[in-house]
Amino acid sequence: QSVLTQPPSASGTPGQTVTISCSGSTSNIGINYIFWYQHLPGTAPKLLIYRDNKRPSGVPDRFSGSKSGTSASLAISGLRSEDEADYYCASWDDSLSGWVFGGGTKLTVL
Amino acid sequence: EVQLVESGGGLVQPGRSLRLSCVASGFTFEDYGMHWVRQAPGKGLEWVSGIDWKSEKTGYADSVKGRFTISRDNAKNSLYLQLDSLRPEDTALYYCAKVSQAGSWFMGFDSWGLGTLVTVSS
Repeated sequence: QSVLTQPPSASGTPGQTVTISCSGSTSNIGINYIFWYQHLPGTAPKLLIYRDNKRPSGVPDRFSGSKSGTSASLAISGLRSEDEADYYCASWDDSLSGWVFGGGTKLTVL
Repeated sequence: EVQLVESGGGLVQPGRSLRLSCVASGFTFEDYGMHWVRQAPGKGLEWVSGIDWKSEKTGYADSVKGRFTISRDNAKNSLYLQLDSLRPEDTALYYCAKVSQAGSWFMGFDSWGLGTLVTVSS
C-alpha cells in the first residue's frame, strides 16, 4: 500500500488529453513539492515535472502538473503512442522523514 | 551529460550481504545529494536511502533501517549502499538517483541510472 495513491491504469487515444491523479496527505503533498516521473521498463526513470508544475528543459509542454491541497495531477495533452509508460508521483513526507512514491499508473495509448 | 552507473548487484542468499556502487560523471558530484530507489519485480518505485552532499545527513526507509548503510566518496565520484541481513523482499532493481538542486535534500531526483539487480534467494 503506497503512501501516495494513484490509479493503477489510465488510457486514451492519440490526440486526447489524459489526467493522472495523485492523492496524499498533509504530511507530504499538502506541505511539500510534488514530482512526476515517466518510466519505461528497462530504462532510467525520467523527471517530467518538478516543484509541482515546472518542466525540465526537453520535456514537451504537452505535460503539465498541478496541485491543490493534498492532491496533485499530471495532464498529458495531444497524447502520442510514445507516451505509453508508467507514471509515478513522489513527494517528501515530513512524518516518515522519507520520500514517498505513488504506486504508479500504467498509461496505455489505444 | 549526467551519467550514473550502478554495479554490485547479484544473487545472494538470505542473511548475507552485498555492496552496491554508483559511479557518477557529468556534474560536480560533491555538490549534490544522492539517493537509492528500488523497484521490486512487478511493483512500483520505493525510496530506500539518501545522503546529502557532505555526508552529514542520511535517511532510510523503515523497511531497510538498521540493515542498509549509505555512504559516498566525493573524491571518487561514487555512491555506495551496503546491504546487510538481506531478505527475499529486498529483491529489486536498485537505482542510483541525483538530487535536482545543489545543496538541497527536498528537490526530487533529476537523473537516474539504469539500475543494478539484487536477487535474494536460497
